[in-house]
Amino acid sequence: DIVMTQSPDSLAVSLGERATINCKSSQSVLYSSDNKNYLTWYQQKPGQPPKLLIYWASTRESGVPDRFSGSGSGTDFTLTISSLQAEDVAVYYCQQYYTTPLTFGGGTKVEIK
Amino acid sequence: EVQLVESGGGLVQPGRSLRLSCSASGFTFGDFAMSWVRQAPGKGLEWVGFIRNKAYGGATEYAASVKGRFTISRDDSKSIAYLQMNSLKTEDTAVYYCTRGIDKAVAGTWDYWGRGTLVTVSS
Repeated sequence: DIVMTQSPDSLAVSLGERATINCKSSQSVLYSSDNKNYLTWYQQKPGQPPKLLIYWASTRESGVPDRFSGSGSGTDFTLTISSLQAEDVAVYYCQQYYTTPLTFGGGTKVEIK
Repeated sequence: EVQLVESGGGLVQPGRSLRLSCSASGFTFGDFAMSWVRQAPGKGLEWVGFIRNKAYGGATEYAASVKGRFTISRDDSKSIAYLQMNSLKTEDTAVYYCTRGIDKAVAGTWDYWGRGTLVTVSS
């Protein structure tokens, strides 16, 4: 199984500041035949289902604010919130879909400092 | 507007069965893979399984933790996906989400999620 490890477990960032979340996979999720990274980022607010933010590691879902960006390739990935807003308080998960079983990181809780 | 609505959750005793339904609307259901993802209380997300669309043979895959006990099926004529859960264990207690693949060829990640239905396995 591919193990997804997120860091940190939680972080507190001031409004307007940058938040950076890391995700590391135990093996590469870059598929050589299409040169795509099979990596997604979700945001989950309390009492709500997860919301798709980023897929193919860096493609922003329609309607997602451009302060959210994804980067990385192979085994190391980053979700960046360029200017944290109050509504961004949530838990963020990475997920690989390179192979089954599909696996998630443990989540990173983002709070306001 | 795409909507996914789960139903069928509730309290069930260990060893018993339960069937969840996911009613879909707002898109051509048969074109997309459908998945189930669960979340135990206060915990992270866990993939349960998926069923591909007919173009991919309607194949199913499952997490090891549920393989042999859970079965996913679909009725494209009714736009409903099902999760049949047998031999339930206390560790199956979770909110179960129905999800849709991000495009017609991708089963493994999801752009729409239902609100979820809570399954509690307890004596």
